[in-house]
Amino acid sequence: QPVVTQSPSASASLGASVKLTCTLSSGHSIYGIAWHQQQPEKGPRYLLKFNSDGSHTKGDGIPDRFSGSSSGAEYYLTISSLQSEDEADYFCQTWGTGPWVFGGGTRLTVL
Amino acid sequence: EVQLVESGGGLVQPGGSLRLSCAVSGFTFGDYWMSWVRQAPGKGLEWVANINEDGSRKYYVDSVKGRFAISRDNAKQSLYLQMNSLRGEDTAIYFCARSPTSNIGYWGQGTLVTVSS
Repeated sequence: QPVVTQSPSASASLGASVKLTCTLSSGHSIYGIAWHQQQPEKGPRYLLKFNSDGSHTKGDGIPDRFSGSSSGAEYYLTISSLQSEDEADYFCQTWGTGPWVFGGGTRLTVL
Repeated sequence: EVQLVESGGGLVQPGGSLRLSCAVSGFTFGDYWMSWVRQAPGKGLEWVANINEDGSRKYYVDSVKGRFAISRDNAKQSLYLQMNSLRGEDTAIYFCARSPTSNIGYWGQGTLVTVSS
């Protein structure tokens, strides 16, 4: 199974931008990667997934402030113009043929 | 509007059983892989099980193999998780999710399962 690594915490100021990182271990067949947001006391919310052509597909109603990019084994979630409601846990997820793997999550604090 | 609504959670003694259900609306249920994901108190997300579109392929995390069974009824637009031989470490909020593998993903609001004597 691949290992998905995320920094446990991040912080940025209101109105600023932040880039969260998801690093995948090598040596595994990866079919896809996605990011999810979980606000306090709420269920997760799908944000976006990375497509094979390097683009990403966002979920319903996800603002343009959320975007994805990648470089090698690193997959990024950038949130611009940070708002207070962006303070949440962000989980990276990957999948191959069947099983899913989640990263440990990054808790984002908006200062 | 897409909706995934879980039910069936509750308090159960160790060794007991529960059956979770997820009622889906707003999309053609039979066109998608579906999953159960859980979150123990204060912890991150843990994938539990997946099932393909027609129910012919199922995958489980090692810790639940032989105890849990995922199933679906496409005619009823419903996903299920039969949980047997429950243990304290199974205590968690259980979420139903539409897989993002072929399209965008969706999550339910979750149902709490507490295993305690």
